[in-house]
Amino acid sequence: KAGVTQTPRYLIKTRGQQVTLSCSPISGHRSVSWYQQTPGQGLQFLFEYFSETQRNKGNFPGRFSGRQFSNSRSEMNVSTLELGDSALYLCASSSQTGGYGYTFGSGTRLTVV
Amino acid sequence: DQQVKQNSPSLSVQEGRISILNCDYTNSMFDYFLWYKKYPAEGPTFLISISSIKDKNEDGRFTVFLNKSAKHLSLHIVPSQPGDSAVYFCAASASDYKLSFGAGTTVTVRA
Repeated sequence: KAGVTQTPRYLIKTRGQQVTLSCSPISGHRSVSWYQQTPGQGLQFLFEYFSETQRNKGNFPGRFSGRQFSNSRSEMNVSTLELGDSALYLCASSSQTGGYGYTFGSGTRLTVV
Repeated sequence: DQQVKQNSPSLSVQEGRISILNCDYTNSMFDYFLWYKKYPAEGPTFLISISSIKDKNEDGRFTVFLNKSAKHLSLHIVPSQPGDSAVYFCAASASDYKLSFGAGTTVTVRA
């Protein structure tokens, strides 16, 4: 079965712009979580959506937002981009809420210039 | 505040020998621990996990040990193989279910 699909794979944006990243989970998975990976910081939890509801949120500013659609696909939006937002953004899906049974996508590499 | 710490950013080991990766945590509410493996340009893949009611879990060449009193866990890979060269992340979760990850340890297996 198809894995977790993240689009686009690479993105270059200018400071101050906004960006939308997309994640299509494994078929049947209702939980989608987003993580930011930066060198030396590991994976930082952004938020989790389950059945279109945000279940958990990490310690990120309000510029980071997300949503989940009825087909479980999820989008993450970052407004007013800063240089420090350059990172690999990973999406993970699971059939249940929480950190169990995660399958990660390959990520979207965002570079802010 | 980093609640899960992997203090060794890198580890180099000879093929066939044991690789030992360490992880420390500060949150006593963590009750489930996982290790993920990540190759470049790919997402992390689940490797092995352990519940706080156990102190050891084994899966083939991979064994995870948990020392709750020390808030420490380790991953042993025996024997190490070239395909094990990757970044390994330690992760933990509590009742809020969100995973807290360490910064990762890059393992290089030398032939």
